[in-house]
Amino acid sequence: AQSVTQPDIHITVSEGASLELRCNYSYGATPYLFWYVQSPGQGLQLLLKYFSGDTLVQGIKGFEAEFKRSQSSFNLRKPSVHWSDAAEYFCAVVPSNTGFQKLVFGTGTRLLVSP
Amino acid sequence: DAGVIQSPRHEVTEMGQEVTLRCKPISGHNSLFWYRQTMMRGLELLIYFNNNVPIDDSGMPEDRFSAKMPNASFSTLKIQPSEPRDSAVYFCASSGGVRGADTQYFGPGTRLTVL
Repeated sequence: AQSVTQPDIHITVSEGASLELRCNYSYGATPYLFWYVQSPGQGLQLLLKYFSGDTLVQGIKGFEAEFKRSQSSFNLRKPSVHWSDAAEYFCAVVPSNTGFQKLVFGTGTRLLVSP
Repeated sequence: DAGVIQSPRHEVTEMGQEVTLRCKPISGHNSLFWYRQTMMRGLELLIYFNNNVPIDDSGMPEDRFSAKMPNASFSTLKIQPSEPRDSAVYFCASSGGVRGADTQYFGPGTRLTVL
């Protein structure tokens, strides 16, 4: 079945440490790939997206993500986490054959940052 | 830019009452989306409009839900009658294009509680 999987429900990292959030998708053709962040009580903000070209994508707030076709993955990374990065992170896809922007979200990963 | 505007931010109502959620998309955007976020089901697309026309409403849970977009700057999502299981955060998003890779910009959401 077509799906987006974020295997980690919660992740805790120390401030200043590196971060990697995992995302795997299961679609026949490579979909369009997105990472959104949701701070408490807020809407979703786009961090970055991939639809073609260079498989390493740079986003806002120092985040980057790497698309790996062989692993059907689009993991989000940040070299040094700040306390303000504590939030929920959603991986999302738009299947490339839907004809419109139907975002399908993963279940999210809640990031906690310890001092 | 004011971003996507939603009102009210919080709504508490009793079962059986009518609820109307409102959304003002970003000026110039021609696509509008309504999403619902719950603990059990995560983020799911309810309905998608393009140029004020509903394109896909397959996510609307049942006939108690209806959505309209009378013009390019306003949309409503109505629940009548409301039930406790409708309690959720409802997000509106807009986009300036129709391609799968186009970014959707989310509003802050309306937290609905049905008692």
